[in-house]
Amino acid sequence: AQSVTQLDSQVPVFEEAPVELRCNYSSSVSVYLFWYVQYPNQGLQLLLKYLSGSTLVESINGFEAEFNKSQTSFHLRKPSVHISDTAEYFCAVSDGGSNYKLTFGKGTLLTVNP
Amino acid sequence: EAGVAQSPRYKIIEKRQSVAFWCNPISGHATLYWYQQILGQGPKLLIQFQNNGVVDDSQLPKDRFSAERLKGVDSTLKIQPAKLEDSAVYLCASSPYHTDTQYFGPGTRLTVL
Repeated sequence: AQSVTQLDSQVPVFEEAPVELRCNYSSSVSVYLFWYVQYPNQGLQLLLKYLSGSTLVESINGFEAEFNKSQTSFHLRKPSVHISDTAEYFCAVSDGGSNYKLTFGKGTLLTVNP
Repeated sequence: EAGVAQSPRYKIIEKRQSVAFWCNPISGHATLYWYQQILGQGPKLLIQFQNNGVVDDSQLPKDRFSAERLKGVDSTLKIQPAKLEDSAVYLCASSPYHTDTQYFGPGTRLTVL
């Protein structure tokens, strides 16, 4: 069975500050890892994903995450956040089997203050 | 390209009543998922369809929840009878066949009083 732990339920930061949202997973098999973002009153959107290859993956809006197999982590980072980054962020894991079934963490609410 | 559509967006019912949610996936997407997202938790998969067949319903409370995707396109999730603990957002997602990215609808927020 797989599980995902997001260590922080809420992260408040000031605009232009760096941020890290932490995610750890447990799985007995190789995994695919995802970060989804949920803006207020909207559905979840894929932010970035790790399937294979380079352990550092980036999104189009400046976020990046690094897959660390030894620490079973996939932390999300951004060097300088904007007000518009305020949202809930979910880390998810899939075993990459034919079903691509996702197991989600509980989410981290990122609040960017002016 | 139109996204995943869900209706209604909000629903309030009393316990022991029945309720149904509808989902229309992105055109051409073979796989359809229903998730339950309770406040303060991440989405939990209830059921996964591949075309009109069930791939995974291991976490669906089958004594009260049912879902169908008769023509392999849109889908309906039903709860009968509803309990207080069913209050949640019900998310529908779809993906093309055998791909890793799921596309989510806006969800239906259910409140059971």
